Amino acid sequence: QSALTQPPSASGSPGQSVTVSCTGSSSDIGAYDYVSWYQQLPGKAPKLIIYAVTKRPSGVPDRFSASKSGNTASLTVSGLQGDDEADYYCSSYAGSNTYVFGTGTRVSVL
Amino acid sequence: QVQLQESGPGLVRPSQTLSLTCTVSGASLSSGKFYWSWIRQPPGKGLEWIGYIYHSGSAYYNPSLKSRITMSVDVTKNQFSLNLTFATAADTAVYYCSRFDYSDSFDSWGQGTLVTVSS
Repeated sequence: QSALTQPPSASGSPGQSVTVSCTGSSSDIGAYDYVSWYQQLPGKAPKLIIYAVTKRPSGVPDRFSASKSGNTASLTVSGLQGDDEADYYCSSYAGSNTYVFGTGTRVSVL
Repeated sequence: QVQLQESGPGLVRPSQTLSLTCTVSGASLSSGKFYWSWIRQPPGKGLEWIGYIYHSGSAYYNPSLKSRITMSVDVTKNQFSLNLTFATAADTAVYYCSRFDYSDSFDSWGQGTLVTVSS
């Protein structure tokens, strides 16, 4: 069970959009529509921002959107704001009642 | 609103057992609506799913840790626990307990507790 692959970093200017990819395999992302995304602010616990590939929990701004194609999931943050600076992690069901996280991406607002 | 709080020793000697407890408030473990999970994060590194447990005691573990992990639940205290045997420095991490929802996501998290494995 290998970690999902994310780029180490991504950045954008305020107001712009940034997209973070999450690449897995046909055994996890490619096999199930159970991808979730988490935002981790410095020194804090992760927070769920996307579940079931595209759905947002109550209270999460619609600036956060996500999708999946094949073995790769993507998170897009539109209208970047300073408080979007954080680490972002994807997660996927990997079969046999197991889950795997991504390697994490640090998003910076320039 | 559910709240989770991890507790346990902050320092564990190598080869000893790392033991943590998560106390849940605002939700009943015995309701059967959720699984209850442990996730860890080594300093400066990413998240790793350790496993999760149902109120009945049915548990599922990360295959890479399975031989060293035992999870348990105490519905009378509304707590669930993690035991990790034969701890090494590689087990040094912030350990989070989390609620796992049937939408297949970890929707609530504790604040995390740092456990250092060192002599």
